[in-house]
Amino acid sequence: AQSVAQPEDQVNVAEGNPLTVKCTYSVSGNPYLFWYVQYPNRGLQFLLKYITGDNLVKGSYGFEAEFNKSQTSFHLKKPSALVSDSALYFCAVRDFNTGFQKLVFGTGTRLLVSP
Amino acid sequence: DSGVTQTPKHLITATGQRVTLRCSPRSGDLSVYWYQQSLDQGLQFLIQYYNGEERAKGNILERFSAQQFPDLHSELNLSSLELGDSALYFCASSVEFQANSPLHFGNGTRLTVT
Repeated sequence: AQSVAQPEDQVNVAEGNPLTVKCTYSVSGNPYLFWYVQYPNRGLQFLLKYITGDNLVKGSYGFEAEFNKSQTSFHLKKPSALVSDSALYFCAVRDFNTGFQKLVFGTGTRLLVSP
Repeated sequence: DSGVTQTPKHLITATGQRVTLRCSPRSGDLSVYWYQQSLDQGLQFLIQYYNGEERAKGNILERFSAQQFPDLHSELNLSSLELGDSALYFCASSVEFQANSPLHFGNGTRLTVT
């Protein structure tokens, strides 16, 4: 089965410092990977996706993600964190096993950016 | 704004009761997905509909059912509610048969069962 793992429940970073939120995947075939962010009392917002092509994917709000096939990872990064980036981040993979393309989510990583 | 509308935002009800959650997908999206988010289970896929037909089932209890109507809005029906059903229920939509298309989520319905 397609799955993703987020090994960190929480990541703490100071404002202005670079941030990384980790994600590893397990898939059969080519991975279709996504990152979402969830702010309190809101739905999930799409940040970026990797389908094919360049291993460095740029997304919304200055976020980017690096796809690494040999390490089966898809880490989310931002060069300079903002306090407003504090939220819950989810990595997800498209599951084609059923043929109908649902997203399978990781357990989420809470990002706390301190002033 | 994702364009996905969910109502109501909050729902408080008693055990044993039945509720209906409603979702209107983004304009043009034919596929609707339902997810449950709870503290201990994370984001769990419940069910998917495409153009009125059920296409995939996940960890959906037999007490729960869903449907998608001709105007593409969807309803999730939860019956014989238990305390453990308290959670955030999300609806998402996408353009089906485009694997690179992300899901767009509504803001959810927070269900509290007392």
